[in-house]
Amino acid sequence: DIQMTQSPSSLSASVGDRVTITCRASQGISNYLAWFQQKPGKAPKSLIYAASSLQSGVPSKFSGSGSGTDFTLTISSLQPEDFATYYCQQYNSYPPTFGGGTKVEIK
Amino acid sequence: EVQLVESGGGLVQPGGSLRLSCAASGFTFSSYSMNWVRQAPGKGLEWVSYISSSSSTIYYADSVKGRFTISRDNAKNSLYLQMNSLRDEDTAVYYCARVPRGSYFNFDYWGQGTLVTVSS
Repeated sequence: DIQMTQSPSSLSASVGDRVTITCRASQGISNYLAWFQQKPGKAPKSLIYAASSLQSGVPSKFSGSGSGTDFTLTISSLQPEDFATYYCQQYNSYPPTFGGGTKVEIK
Repeated sequence: EVQLVESGGGLVQPGGSLRLSCAASGFTFSSYSMNWVRQAPGKGLEWVSYISSSSSTIYYADSVKGRFTISRDNAKNSLYLQMNSLRDEDTAVYYCARVPRGSYFNFDYWGQGTLVTVSS
């Protein structure tokens, strides 16, 4: 199975900050990488697919980049509604696997 | 609007069985492949099972293979997960998730989840 490693596992940031989360795959996955946002007690919400494509309705402050084994999710200006846990997921090969999550907290 | 609503969760003893359902609306259910994904309390996400639009292709995670069975009824716009021989480690919120046409595991819409608790 492909292992997905996210870093950091948690971070504290202030409203207005630029935040970057990284995700590394244990082997190359081309651009078959998705990012999800999850708030407490809620279902995950798809933000980005194909490493850099924004899902419909997702604000442009979210952006993704990378290919192969190294990927990033960037939030350009953190807002109160963005405090959540973020997961990356590879869908290049079976079984699909998720990163351990990055919890973004208020500083 | 795409809606996925899970039901059927609850408390069950180890070794017991449970059947989860996912009711879909807002899209042509019969044209889309579906998945189940779970999340143990306080833990990350784990993919469980996949079923193609026509039920011709099915996949399972090794952790549930031989115990869980995924199925669907396109006439009823519903997805199911039959869970047998349940173990403590199956305790989790179970989500159904849709994938776009042509994809297997790129989840675009998720239901709100249903909690399964396996405990004596």
